[in-house]
Amino acid sequence: IAGITQAPTSQILAAGRRMTLRCTQDMRHNAMYWYRQDLGLGLRLIHYSNTAGTTGKGEVPDGYSVSRANTDDFPLTLASAVPSQTSVYFCASSEDSGSRNEQFFGPGTRLTVL
Amino acid sequence: GQNIDQPTEMTATEGAIVQINCTYQTSGFNGLFWYQQHAGEAPTFLSYNVLDGLEEKGRFSSFLSRSKGYSYLLLKELQMKDSASYLCAALDSNYQLIWGAGTKLIIKP
Repeated sequence: IAGITQAPTSQILAAGRRMTLRCTQDMRHNAMYWYRQDLGLGLRLIHYSNTAGTTGKGEVPDGYSVSRANTDDFPLTLASAVPSQTSVYFCASSEDSGSRNEQFFGPGTRLTVL
Repeated sequence: GQNIDQPTEMTATEGAIVQINCTYQTSGFNGLFWYQQHAGEAPTFLSYNVLDGLEEKGRFSSFLSRSKGYSYLLLKELQMKDSASYLCAALDSNYQLIWGAGTKLIIKP
């Protein structure tokens, strides 16, 4: 693989179900991010990780959790999905979390919660 | 609060020049990014400015005025493939990106 991959590409989920969105990068980037993108709104940061073993909350963390057990993987879990979590989810990574923070994005996961 | 403003939609003609403006208000400032996003795809990096002035990269140029909290992206010799959304994002004092909602650019032949 090259760059960032996300799985699944799309998913329809019943409200109340648990769901994990997967994200893997092979660029050995230290920092990783999860965003959601909704029509008419900018990308909103859900959670981030500056390095393996650490995570932080972004702008809209409620209802989501993440883990960063190693450099490559950064899964996002919805413990009990609600319809307001219907969105397109993008995982991104950058070499580090400092200045000149060019981020590389995965292809996205389109999630629909019914 | 932190805020990024950019026009929702713009239309331009193939071969012409278009300027997409962005104003920002952030707590601290560590640079301004422009990304391109084609419909149904992921954003891709276009440019980064941290100092005042114009940065030119082929057909695309980006300008920054820190004192005015203002940036623009200039696209020259427009091609149909430039039809996309253009996202402005400012890096705040915590090195987190604050994103605008994006400007949808429609290119007409």
